[in-house]
Amino acid sequence: DTGVSQNPRHKITKRGQNVTFRCDPISEHNRLYWYRQTLGQGPEFLTYFQNEAQLEKSRLLSDRFSAERPKGSFSTLEIQRTEQGDSAMYLCASSLGSDSKETQYFGPGTRLLVL
Amino acid sequence: GNSVTQMEGPVTLSEEAFLTINCTYTATGYPSLFWYVQYPGEGLQLLLKATKADDKGSNKGFEATYRKETTSFHLEKGSVQVSDSAVYFCATSDKIIFGKGTRLHILP
Repeated sequence: DTGVSQNPRHKITKRGQNVTFRCDPISEHNRLYWYRQTLGQGPEFLTYFQNEAQLEKSRLLSDRFSAERPKGSFSTLEIQRTEQGDSAMYLCASSLGSDSKETQYFGPGTRLLVL
Repeated sequence: GNSVTQMEGPVTLSEEAFLTINCTYTATGYPSLFWYVQYPGEGLQLLLKATKADDKGSNKGFEATYRKETTSFHLEKGSVQVSDSAVYFCATSDKIIFGKGTRLHILP
């Protein structure tokens, strides 16, 4: 399978704990995006990378959130001191190209529940 | 600010009915427009896209035309099937904004 993969698929944590999610994009894709999706809503853009450079961050991405893509391949999204409001599906997508007009290929998501 | 507005669901139709899901957008530039679909238990996948005004995207019998004058990208299908039951998202590449999604139920 050469699609976008995300791990873990599900995560339950207690409020105040740190969590880290991983995304493995399609191998030749240079762009990688993170989104958050809550029930009944569309995906909300969080941040994106072009290769290893983080080029844009949404105002939704508070200082408790950090994303990395150290070698321009896989990426991690860490949430520190989780809050109940962080409960959501976190989606990763990748694309090949130089702008956001290219088709994005989505992973299955990581569902986070903060108790 | 930029936004994408699509008709609220759920939309329930009988098999072979005609489908329209409305989508309008606001943008500062000339974005590409997309329809993504999420089938039950699966991830988001591209259904169709259009990159400039008057372009028509099409796939699996679905069509949408990029209308700059009305800032719209309505999704249509002439004869829906039960297998089309899913959630449909309209999106613009300008600031990467998705609509809230429209859930479609097709009854046999």
